[in-house]
Amino acid sequence: EPEVTQTPSHQVTQMGQEVILRCVPISNHLYFYWYRQILGQKVEFLVSFYNNEISEKSEIFDDQFSVERPDGSNFTLKIRSTKLEDSAMYFCASSPGPDDQPQHFGDGTRLSIL
Amino acid sequence: GESVGLHLPTLSVQEGDNSIINCAYSNSASDYFIWYKQESGKGPQFIIDIRSNMDKRQGQRVTVLLNKTVKHLSLQIAATQPGDSAVYFCAEIPNAGNMLTFGGGTRLMVKP
Repeated sequence: EPEVTQTPSHQVTQMGQEVILRCVPISNHLYFYWYRQILGQKVEFLVSFYNNEISEKSEIFDDQFSVERPDGSNFTLKIRSTKLEDSAMYFCASSPGPDDQPQHFGDGTRLSIL
Repeated sequence: GESVGLHLPTLSVQEGDNSIINCAYSNSASDYFIWYKQESGKGPQFIIDIRSNMDKRQGQRVTVLLNKTVKHLSLQIAATQPGDSAVYFCAEIPNAGNMLTFGGGTRLMVKP
């Protein structure tokens, strides 16, 4: 069964450094998402992406975050200048379409900021 | 990839019994709901979904019930197996959007 894959599984970065988290969505899906889960908290929406642009974003997704689909298969989340509070699990998801289409998740990248 | 540290309600059931996991959602404008299962070290795994124009939907060994009047969702698992042990999340999407809002989760423990 096709699946969303994320790399790396664990990323350790010094505070203030840039980090790029990578995702390969399911190949025939058109909508892509990033979520995060801070330890001890709920899964939170960050951003959705369709047709090479952001379609929706949350308050968490501020100017230090950006997303990109650099080629036909990858979808990336960049955090420009990491803070301690960015430490979390970051999940990528994809869906065939919007509205009533289930989002399928990868197994996440654990980001640890030192 | 697990909800470590969350003070999750826990449901403990005997193998072979039926399980019912409940969820209260907050947004009356939500019109699409999904149940996810999350095992340790993994991402949320899609189980079943339901649209707001339905009140019941069945899958293989799972049934989702939706009560819009009281904004309540439940997941029923028939003949629960040890492999069903995980954290279960309900999630909702409001009308005209695709932002999933997750609930806090319930930990299901299946005793062999």
